[in-house]
Amino acid sequence: GAGVSQSPRYKVTKRGQDVALRCDPISGHVSLYWYRQALGQGPEFLTYFNYEAQQDKSGLPNDRFSAERPEGSISTLTIQRTEQRDSAMYRCASSFGGGQGNSPLHFGNGTRLTVT
Amino acid sequence: QQQVKQSPQSLIVQKGGISIINCAYENTAFDYFPWYQQFPGKGPALLIAIRPDVSEKKEGRFTISFNKSAKQFSLHIMDSQPGDSATYFCAAWNSGNTPLVFGKGTRLSVIA
Repeated sequence: GAGVSQSPRYKVTKRGQDVALRCDPISGHVSLYWYRQALGQGPEFLTYFNYEAQQDKSGLPNDRFSAERPEGSISTLTIQRTEQRDSAMYRCASSFGGGQGNSPLHFGNGTRLTVT
Repeated sequence: QQQVKQSPQSLIVQKGGISIINCAYENTAFDYFPWYQQFPGKGPALLIAIRPDVSEKKEGRFTISFNKSAKQFSLHIMDSQPGDSATYFCAAWNSGNTPLVFGKGTRLSVIA
């Protein structure tokens, strides 16, 4: 079946603009995660959901970042008043749930965000 | 503070050779240690994983060796092939429902 789908694939925006990144998880996956991956680095946790409930947002860098998953399926990561330091690859992952040790993460191909 | 330290940063191995990537952790609460493989332009994909109740797990040419007392684990790729050229990430998780934490990655190049 289809994997995790993220859109847009690339996003270039000017500093100060808001951006919304979309993630469509694998059908039936309960858990959805957002990670950020800088060039040459490993994925860095931002936040995750079980169904529509945000379980942990401890990785969000500041209050300009927010995420939602209103119907327990598609999720949107929003960055307000973007800054150049927000430039990175943003990755979404989903899993069946039950904890990441019981169900592997399936990552999307990511959204490359560039803030100019 | 990086929770999982991975080395080397890059690795070049001859075709047919053994690739070895190492990771170390501090948090003894971690109880699940996966390795993810990432090809250019793609997201990471689970390769193999181990729990601390065993010292080794093998799947085909890929083996994880786990040393609980030293808080270290490593990935061995036997008979390395050019198709194995990718970036490999070790990771760790504990069942307290905290998120998976990743190492910085190792870029492996297997040359013919």
